[in-house]
Amino acid sequence: EADIYQTPRYLVIGTGKKITLECSQTMGHDKMYWYQQDPGMELHLIHYSYGVNSTEKGDLSSESTVSRIRTEHFPLTLESARPSHTSQYLCASSRGGLGNQPQHFGDGTRLSIL
Amino acid sequence: QQPVQSPQAVILREGEDAVINCSSSKALYSVHWYRQKHGEAPVFLMILLKGGEQKGHEKISASFNEKKQQSSLYLTASQLSYSGTYFCGTVTGGGNKLTFGTGTQLKVEL
Repeated sequence: EADIYQTPRYLVIGTGKKITLECSQTMGHDKMYWYQQDPGMELHLIHYSYGVNSTEKGDLSSESTVSRIRTEHFPLTLESARPSHTSQYLCASSRGGLGNQPQHFGDGTRLSIL
Repeated sequence: QQPVQSPQAVILREGEDAVINCSSSKALYSVHWYRQKHGEAPVFLMILLKGGEQKGHEKISASFNEKKQQSSLYLTASQLSYSGTYFCGTVTGGGNKLTFGTGTQLKVEL
């Protein structure tokens, strides 16, 4: 079983608040990812990291930011939350390699901005 | 460009077979398949690398046609536990960045 953890599982918060979604993995994976998924819809990559101090924007533009100071930790921050940020955010990790390694997903954070 | 999956949705009776297709407009290095049940995280099923290989996982197998940039997932003798949304994810060139497909909702009924 994969060991990747996301907190909180659910968050309901008002507009304008600063939010940090936590993601940690204990597998020593170099690569980590953040996806955004609306109910019943596909996953969109918003950020990824190939190692410490490496972060890149994904295919879907997002107002969120990420950091990768430690291998195991990949938090996502929204400086000022808006209702348009309401969605599910999924964190994933994988070993190194050239597209031949599976991604392991956390249980996600369901974010609702009032 | 996002891979396109077909069908969008399918309903099966237990024991029936199904095929889910994934098509890309780009040259692919690999194709991943995941299943996501409602309210849960996606779960990895299998990876296919370019070379046209076919892989199997119990009663679920998949193929990868490199020339057509297509992959198909085959579910045989479906079980209730197969219900969920199936996503393909494609990797182009190097790296491990996945682009997920549009998804196929599969429901297996008694």
